[in-house]
Amino acid sequence: EIVLTQSPGTLSLSPGERATLSCRASQSVSTSFFDWYQQKPGQAPRLLIYGTSTRAAGIPDRFSGSGSGTDFTLTISRLEPEDSAVYYCQQYGSSPYTFGPGTKVEIK
Amino acid sequence: QVRLQESGPGLVKPSETLSLTCTVSGDSISPSYWSWIRQPPGKRLEWIAYVHSSGSTSYNPSLKSRATISVDTSKNQFSLKLNSVTAADTAVYYCARGSTGRYYWGQGSLVIVSS
Repeated sequence: EIVLTQSPGTLSLSPGERATLSCRASQSVSTSFFDWYQQKPGQAPRLLIYGTSTRAAGIPDRFSGSGSGTDFTLTISRLEPEDSAVYYCQQYGSSPYTFGPGTKVEIK
Repeated sequence: QVRLQESGPGLVKPSETLSLTCTVSGDSISPSYWSWIRQPPGKRLEWIAYVHSSGSTSYNPSLKSRATISVDTSKNQFSLKLNSVTAADTAVYYCARGSTGRYYWGQGSLVIVSS
């Protein structure tokens, strides 16, 4: 089973700042099978990025994804207050399909 | 726009069977893949299983012996049964469109396992 580790656990930044979220896999994952989700309190997770770097429909261009092999990154270029949420990475290169523990982004 | 809604008992006794149904509205359940994913309190999301509208299935090996996923195309629904539940099965259960990734999620249903 591929284990995903996310860092940091919590990120506290001001509006307009840049957020860099990391996800490391215990084994190499194909870039085609790596996603990022956003979850706000009381809401379902929402797909942000699929295939490592492709934004899902309706996702602002301040969200971007990159990476390969075992190291993947989600970047929020200019934080908005509505970006306060927990962000999860997910791999589906091999079964069972697994998720990271999440990074909580707080807006000061 | 497609909408997914989970339904089922919010409280299940230990050793009994957890049963959840996901009703899909705004789109046909066929042809597509549909999944169940859960999140225990304070823990990470866990993929449980997926089903194709044709009936083919795939399971997380850790739950395969206890889980059954099925689809009812006539009702535009798919379901999950998880038998022999314990407190460790307490979680928010999400239904989602998709098989392995790129999920579109329902709102989730909290299921507590307790006597």
